[in-house]
Amino acid sequence: NAGVMQNPRHLVRRRGQEARLRCSPMKGHSHVYWYRQLPEEGLKFMVYLQKENIIDESGMPKERFSAEFPKEGPSILRIQQVVRGDSAAYFCASSTGQGTTGELFFGEGSRLTVL
Amino acid sequence: RKEVEQDPGPFNVPEGATVAFNCTYSNSASQSFFWYRQDCRKEPKLLMSVYSSGNEDGRFTAQLNRASQYISLLIRDSKLSDSATYLCVVRLIKAAGNKLTFGGGTRVLVKP
Repeated sequence: NAGVMQNPRHLVRRRGQEARLRCSPMKGHSHVYWYRQLPEEGLKFMVYLQKENIIDESGMPKERFSAEFPKEGPSILRIQQVVRGDSAAYFCASSTGQGTTGELFFGEGSRLTVL
Repeated sequence: RKEVEQDPGPFNVPEGATVAFNCTYSNSASQSFFWYRQDCRKEPKLLMSVYSSGNEDGRFTAQLNRASQYISLLIRDSKLSDSATYLCVVRLIKAAGNKLTFGGGTRVLVKP
């Protein structure tokens, strides 16, 4: 029973290139959250999606970043024209739905390095 | 001011000793509270929820003080495997779904 699957685990991009990070939630989970963790810092919320809907994108930078969770396939976090400051670990988490259980199941993260 | 603040540590703890640390939150509309654990370069995992009356899970005890807006975690009889970063996490009343706000983490190093 696979958990949250993220790929790629490691991604190296040069400044100006595009980065695409993919996340497949746990089986039975329809809610996906993306968090970013800069080196030596905590996790910062970016966006919360349900299938085909963005529910909360209050943590997304206004430019260059976008996210989607299509009806079929994984959720995608897309970063256009990457800059060195985008270097971070990007974690995806999933849950079954709204509630106060507080448990998010995280993937192992995608580590982006921008040269 | 950060929404959730933690002492980053590290807390150097002899094996078998007790260690405790706090976390403060700024938003009084915080509804639910949790401790997550994150090992080096790994994903965070839920350690325990924190209830108003305080709760215990084996060697771990969590307390919540709503009046002073802080929560605490106490680890008894520390094991080497307890070495990790402990993340204080809150969920706001109006938060969508399970959107959680994380503190910066407190690093604990248990040494023989």
